[in-house]
Amino acid sequence: GAGVSQSPSNKVTEKGKDVELRCDPISGHTALYWYRQSLGQGLEFLIYFQGNSAPDKSGLPSDRFSAERTGGSVSTLTIQRTQQEDSAVYLCASSLSIDPTYEQYFGPGTRLTVT
Amino acid sequence: GENVEQHPSTLSVQEGDSAVIKCTYSDSASNYFPWYKQELGKRPQLIIDIRSNVGEKKDQRIAVTLNKTAKHFSLHITETQPEDSAVYFCAASRSGNKLVFGAGTILRVKS
Repeated sequence: GAGVSQSPSNKVTEKGKDVELRCDPISGHTALYWYRQSLGQGLEFLIYFQGNSAPDKSGLPSDRFSAERTGGSVSTLTIQRTQQEDSAVYLCASSLSIDPTYEQYFGPGTRLTVT
Repeated sequence: GENVEQHPSTLSVQEGDSAVIKCTYSDSASNYFPWYKQELGKRPQLIIDIRSNVGEKKDQRIAVTLNKTAKHFSLHITETQPEDSAVYFCAASRSGNKLVFGAGTILRVKS
């Protein structure tokens, strides 16, 4: 079946612009996670959703970052007034449950470059 | 909260040799420890996991060991092959909490 998809695959934007990154999880997956992966770095947790609600937003780096999920499916991560340090690969993952023992299925990521 | 440290950051081995990657965690209540593999340009994928009620788990050439007393767990890859070259991430969590990932280990298998 279809896996997790993300769009766009690449995004180049000028400093100060807003960007929206989209994640389409596997159908029926309740949990959805956003991570950030900087060059040569690990997976930095940003936020997760259980259905449409976000119980844990603790990883969002600043108030320029926000995310929403609608219909228990598609999620959008928005970065306002982008800065060069926002440049990274943004990965989305979905899972059948927020129980951490359920496998997370990752999308291909969106590579964001802020010039 | 949980903190996971992973070592080494890079590891080069000769094809056929074994590779070991180690992780330590801080939360003694953590009870689930997965390992993800990310090949170059691809997405991370789960390769093996272990729960705190067992000390070792094997799946063909890969194995994971857990020492709850010392709060560390390790990934062992035997008879390494070029296709094992990738970034490996360990993670830890306890019931009801999110996964916390280590910083990753770049494994290079030289043929």
